[in-house]
Amino acid sequence: EAGVTQFPSHSVIEKGQTVTLRCDPISGHDNLYWYRRVMGKEIKFLLHFVKESKQDESGMPNNRFLAERTGGTYSTLKVQPAELEDSGVYFCASSQDYVSGNTIYFGEGSWLTVV
Amino acid sequence: GNSVTQMEGPVTLSEEAFLTINCTYTATGYPSLFWYVQYPGEGLQLLLKATKADDKGSNKGFEATYRKETTSFHLEKGSVQVSDSAVYFCALRPGGSNYKLTFGKGTLLTVNP
Repeated sequence: EAGVTQFPSHSVIEKGQTVTLRCDPISGHDNLYWYRRVMGKEIKFLLHFVKESKQDESGMPNNRFLAERTGGTYSTLKVQPAELEDSGVYFCASSQDYVSGNTIYFGEGSWLTVV
Repeated sequence: GNSVTQMEGPVTLSEEAFLTINCTYTATGYPSLFWYVQYPGEGLQLLLKATKADDKGSNKGFEATYRKETTSFHLEKGSVQVSDSAVYFCALRPGGSNYKLTFGKGTLLTVNP
């Protein structure tokens, strides 16, 4: 069974440009999450989809970030325009449901560097 | 709010040494507790978990016990290997239907031969 896959694995862009990160969750997982870790800080929650609906986007830092999950399958996270402080690793994760003890499976992350 | 505090390291050990990485948490109710590991060049992997007080999670020789009285979930391994070199993250997930994981800052472990 394929795990959570993310693309691209690494991206270097200039300040002001746009980047779109893609995540394919584990097949059959209705719940999809985005997290990010900026340099030296904690991994922080960004948002949560249940199927195609945004359940919680309270962690999105500002309106330069837009997440979508059309059709309830893969998701994209767009940063436009990118700023230097957006550099970090963006993790996507998925789970079958959101019962507390159930496992959330993470992808390998998309490393974003804004120069 | 919820928070996780773990020793920040970096931690450097020789092969076969004993490992402890401390983790304490603040949360309301009865959270589930997790240790995730990130090996070099790889994503986050669940290492072990415990869903209620006094539960012990274990995997790959690592253990952690959910101690509600001390709000701790310390990670231990009796004899580390070079292949254990990685970043370790302690995390909690609140009880009920709350889905958000709250992570600690991560501890970099380097094991030398």
